[in-house]
Amino acid sequence: DAGVIQSPRHEVTEMGQEVTLRCKPISGHDYLFWYRQTMMRGLELLIYFNNNVPIDDSGMPEDRFSAKMPNASFSTLKIQPSEPRDSAVYFCASSPIPGQGSGYTFGSGTRLTVV
Amino acid sequence: AQKVTQAQTEISVVEKEDVTLDCVYETRDTTYYLFWYKQPPSGELVFLIRRNSFDEQNEISGRYSWNFQKSTSSFNFTITASQVVDSAVYFCARANSNSGYALNFGKGTSLLVTP
Repeated sequence: DAGVIQSPRHEVTEMGQEVTLRCKPISGHDYLFWYRQTMMRGLELLIYFNNNVPIDDSGMPEDRFSAKMPNASFSTLKIQPSEPRDSAVYFCASSPIPGQGSGYTFGSGTRLTVV
Repeated sequence: AQKVTQAQTEISVVEKEDVTLDCVYETRDTTYYLFWYKQPPSGELVFLIRRNSFDEQNEISGRYSWNFQKSTSSFNFTITASQVVDSAVYFCARANSNSGYALNFGKGTSLLVTP
């Protein structure tokens, strides 16, 4: 298995631009999570999906952030408009039903820089 | 959210020393899962271990060992005979059904192993 695949690996964009981050989870995993990592706040959960349905988006910072999972093999996290404070590493992770397998597998992350 | 506390922000040891990374968690649940992840300088999050709340057996994997103590809500991680390649940030995390099994991370402990 290729693991969780995120794209792009790096993104540099100007303030005000729309940014779309992409994630392909591991086939068969029922859960998909989006996390953001910053020095100040550490690793924080933004949103998670169960069987493609968004369950909890209380971690999404504000309305500028949105996430979708149109099918079991693809999810996007969109920021529109982007701001410098959105600069962070964004991780996608997938997991089978807890209690099965070894746990949560993370993608390599997308390092976003908003200038 | 129920907190995960890693009180040690940074630890520096000399190669071949043993080092223990502390993790204390809050929980109001009878069933939960505990994890350790490693984040090397390259930035990816590498799964190390998962423990279920009903399994208090300690575990050893090579130079790594974990001590799970429900009575003190701790899940400590020990590296024996540390090596330079162990230098990384280590994260402790917990998950339970109330949060959809989303991982709740501690702030991490940065371990530096010098030759």
